[in-house]
Amino acid sequence: EVQLVQSGAEVKKPGESLKISCKGSGYSFTGYWIGWVRQMPGKGLEWMGIIHPADSDTRYSPSFQGQVTISVDKSISTAFLQWSSLKASDTAMYYCARVRSGWFVDYWGQGTLVTVSS
Amino acid sequence: QSALTQPRSVSGSPGQSVTISCTGTSSDVGAYNYVSWYQQHPGKAPKLMIYDVSKRPSGVPDRFSGSKSGNTASLTISGLQAEDEADYYCCSYAGSYTVFGGGTKLTVL
Repeated sequence: EVQLVQSGAEVKKPGESLKISCKGSGYSFTGYWIGWVRQMPGKGLEWMGIIHPADSDTRYSPSFQGQVTISVDKSISTAFLQWSSLKASDTAMYYCARVRSGWFVDYWGQGTLVTVSS
Repeated sequence: QSALTQPRSVSGSPGQSVTISCTGTSSDVGAYNYVSWYQQHPGKAPKLMIYDVSKRPSGVPDRFSGSKSGNTASLTISGLQAEDEADYYCCSYAGSYTVFGGGTKLTVL
């Protein structure tokens, strides 16, 4: 069974750093792109970027370029999303997702809620 | 990049059909047959309903269908059921990245 299991909810202060994770199982982790999607409270879905675990080829959506870093450790089948300096506006649910050719998501993680508040 | 344009809300009675539009540009929806649709119930992760404009994953009822004309894609739900009430998002490849629509809230009256 394909599963993407994300790390737990985080509460951080503005200016702090954060790295959340997404562990894949039940399939060949290096065979599919992994993407990250943001959903701010009460708002819609936004693509942040994708990474290919086999070679770490990473592509960011223009709005998120330079704002976050997407990485992967294929030895532990885990993708990461990190911030160097959080802002209150980073408060959101973050989903990781398995991306198929044709750029659609067939499996989603359960989501990680990030709350940034002083 | 701009989000694809969807109506904020649509509604229909049980048994009726509704269509949700998704308007992009010649750089995204119009350029590629890589449009997908997702259903999201409150507090849940999205679920894939349609991919490659009109293909249905296994397990998705054939009441859900997708199409595209020019820069506009559409999701049609026929034989509306109470459990179809949810938010729906379109998504399109735009050349090295993908973009979502703003989302449409479907209300089953």
